[in-house]
Amino acid sequence: GQNIDQPTEMTATEGAIVQINCTYQTSGFNGLFWYQQHAGEAPTFLSYNVLDGLEEKGRFSSFLSRSKGYSYLLLKELQMKDSASYLCAVMDSNYQLIWGAGTKLIIKP
Amino acid sequence: DAGVTQSPTHLIKTRGQQVTLRCSPKSGHDTVSWYQQALGQGPQFIFQYYEEEERQRGNFPDRFSGHQFPNYSSELNVNALLLGDSALYLCASSLFGQGHSNQPQHFGDGTRLSIL
Repeated sequence: GQNIDQPTEMTATEGAIVQINCTYQTSGFNGLFWYQQHAGEAPTFLSYNVLDGLEEKGRFSSFLSRSKGYSYLLLKELQMKDSASYLCAVMDSNYQLIWGAGTKLIIKP
Repeated sequence: DAGVTQSPTHLIKTRGQQVTLRCSPKSGHDTVSWYQQALGQGPQFIFQYYEEEERQRGNFPDRFSGHQFPNYSSELNVNALLLGDSALYLCASSLFGQGHSNQPQHFGDGTRLSIL
């Protein structure tokens, strides 16, 4: 079967750095997406990785290792507004997105 | 540039009833995917429509059906509603095809469906 694993919840301090991990087992791989979802709102796109390595976009970076079936999302200079769920999704061989359950990130002052 | 729009935003139904949810894709997009998201869970793929046909389907029963219109908008129909169908239903639009696999899906704000 296909499986995406992420921690259920993480807590970090305003101004700090946090890393959210995602491991996956899917039938084929056509890229990995990270989305942010605030409570009661739609998911919004953060990043896309298809090749190994680090993609940096402002305060957010995403890393991929295809051989390990592993990705992480790195958030720097945390702000209170970063409190949200972070969803990892993998596009499989049928170009269908398989989603993790999401990681709820709690930012404390 | 209008994003993905869904209607209604909230809906309350009783067991056994039928419901229709609507979605208009982002301008320029031709593909619509529907997801069910239970509280505290990630989205679960229901199905995807392109060129007015269902192209892929997730692990959902036949009670869940859909339609796509020539203007790319889409409907999700659920028959014989069960209590377990209570969830946020999300519509996402994108461009179809391998050449667009790196393009993110854009989500609407969802329809919150409650079954009593």
